[in-house]
Amino acid sequence: DAKTTQPPSMDCAEGRAANLPCNHSTISGNEYVYWYRQIHSQGPQYIIHGLKNNETNEMASLIITEDRKSSTLILPHATLRDTAVYYCIVFAGGTSYGKLTFGQGTILTVHP
Amino acid sequence: KAGVTQTPRYLIKTRGQQVTLSCSPISGHRSVSWYQQTPGQGLQFLFEYFSETQRNKGNFPGRFSGRQFSNSRSEMNVSTLELGDSALYLCASSYLAGAVNEQFFGPGTRLTVL
Repeated sequence: DAKTTQPPSMDCAEGRAANLPCNHSTISGNEYVYWYRQIHSQGPQYIIHGLKNNETNEMASLIITEDRKSSTLILPHATLRDTAVYYCIVFAGGTSYGKLTFGQGTILTVHP
Repeated sequence: KAGVTQTPRYLIKTRGQQVTLSCSPISGHRSVSWYQQTPGQGLQFLFEYFSETQRNKGNFPGRFSGRQFSNSRSEMNVSTLELGDSALYLCASSYLAGAVNEQFFGPGTRLTVL
């Protein structure tokens, strides 16, 4: 599975959009981009995933560049409860299914 | 619907001991995956069980083992504990095998090895 690079920490004001970047320059054609987050003392929570098109759900939007070498997770109106560690991973299906591996992620702190 | 539950939540053991952790998946979920999370290594996949069969296994030594029962509940065992086994052990369940984006995680068991 391809490696990802994320900034170690970011700050965001409550009510503003939080834009979390992720580089995955070695991504393969069959690998999806997944985003998870982990709030302190809880298990990871799935947010969104995509292959090459932009995706949106009730939690966030995912923007993937045309060359698929980077992506941005957007939380449109960040709240204090969005303070968490955000993980970007790339992941193929098939035999890799079920084998999540997270790196260090980005610590997002939402300020009042 | 109740979430994934893990017991115990906290555990302290000494080197050389063995430990058993338990995971009860969401009702109706038949897939259970186990992960180890440490500050240095991040989240690492241990193994996945589906319908009492191990489907996938990560790169951990044989001291780490697991099993799944007919009611989908799963246990993980670590024998001959080492200091490096101190970690948060997470369990995740899903309805379909390998459905990563549909996995729901439990709160984890914090294991400390002294």
